[in-house]
Amino acid sequence: AQKVTQAQTEISVVEKEDVTLDCVYETRDTTYYLFWYKQPPSGELVFLIRRNSFDEQNEISGRYSWNFQKSTSSFNFTITASQVVDSAVYFCALSESRRGYQKVTFGIGTKLQVIP
Amino acid sequence: GAGVSQSPSNKVTEKGKDVELRCDPISGHTALYWYRQSLGQGLEFLIYFQGNSAPDKSGLPSDRFSAERTGGSVSTLTIQRTQQEDSAVYLCASSSQTTQYFGPGTRLLVL
Repeated sequence: AQKVTQAQTEISVVEKEDVTLDCVYETRDTTYYLFWYKQPPSGELVFLIRRNSFDEQNEISGRYSWNFQKSTSSFNFTITASQVVDSAVYFCALSESRRGYQKVTFGIGTKLQVIP
Repeated sequence: GAGVSQSPSNKVTEKGKDVELRCDPISGHTALYWYRQSLGQGLEFLIYFQGNSAPDKSGLPSDRFSAERTGGSVSTLTIQRTQQEDSAVYLCASSSQTTQYFGPGTRLLVL
């Protein structure tokens, strides 16, 4: 069975600090996708990134970066120089093909609070 | 273009009443998902629609929950004889391939 673990339930950092959100996944499939979503206080989930299982290149987008390591089944997310607007719940998700569709399993989320 | 829309944004109902929640997916997206998010919790998968195929209802918590998708577009999630434990945010997502895009959700409160 597929599983996504976000061990950090809540993190507080002071503005401008760097913070890393951990995500560990379990799957038996060789082809799968990993995602990060942001859920700000307004409630709407915002797609941040998708990574497929064959692409282990790390990615950087502005202050955001993602580290995908298949050897440790991890897909960690780092925010550099955090800002108050980064305060949100962040979800990691795993998608596998099942009977012709993508079955997505979400982690329980990490609540990030950035203190000014 | 327009994103996923959901209505109503908030719904307060009395225990035992039926409610209908609506989802309008992104135009052209063939896949549609419903999730439930209880306060402070993660996302619980409810049901999935793909084109004209039979839906995957494996996540529906009881037979009081049902969903339809008419014409491969708009979907309605119906909860009959609502209970207080049904109070949650109900999220809809659509996708064309692998990435799901979410609507703003419907906050349901059952008194």
